[in-house]
Amino acid sequence: KAGVTQTPRYLIKTRGQQVTLSCSPISGHRSVSWYQQTPGQGLQFLFEYFSETQRNKGNFPGRFSGRQFSNSRSEMNVSTLELGDSALYLCASSFGQTNSPLHFGNGTRLTVT
Amino acid sequence: GESVGLHLPTLSVQEGDNSIINCAYSNSASDYFIWYKQESGKGPQFIIDIRSNMDKRQGQRVTVLLNKTVKHLSLQIAATQPGDSAVYFCAELGQGAQKLVFGQGTRLTINP
Repeated sequence: KAGVTQTPRYLIKTRGQQVTLSCSPISGHRSVSWYQQTPGQGLQFLFEYFSETQRNKGNFPGRFSGRQFSNSRSEMNVSTLELGDSALYLCASSFGQTNSPLHFGNGTRLTVT
Repeated sequence: GESVGLHLPTLSVQEGDNSIINCAYSNSASDYFIWYKQESGKGPQFIIDIRSNMDKRQGQRVTVLLNKTVKHLSLQIAATQPGDSAVYFCAELGQGAQKLVFGQGTRLTINP
């Protein structure tokens, strides 16, 4: 069974631009979550979508947004990029039930210059 | 508040020895815990999980122990191999929410 797929693997953007990252979950998984990983802050939760609805949200500014499509694929968007947005963005999928393990993709490495 | 921490940022062991990685959590309402392994350039890889109604769970070469009294869990890796070199994270999942709270991670280095 294919794992979680994230595209692109690498991105370089300049301050002020916007970016869209894509995630394809494991087949059958209806929950998709996004995390930001940085050396200083570690892994931090951005948001979670289940059946096209945002179900949970972390403490990130409104510049970070996401959506989920009917096939469970998800995208996240970051507008008005700042240097501090440089990070590894990870997507995880699960069945979305209590005690469902989350499985991660290999992430998108975003560099903002 | 929620926080999950690991006792040591780095751990170095000899190949073939057993490794023990520790983690403390603060949310007594947490009911599900997961250990992940992250290798360079990759995302976190699921290793093993444990629910709060258990105190021990075993997988292939790995064992997770949960002590709810002191809010502590550990990951034991038997007969460590070079391929076990990675950063290990414990993560906590609260009730009814698919929101993982991660610790800072322990970098495990295997010496030949």
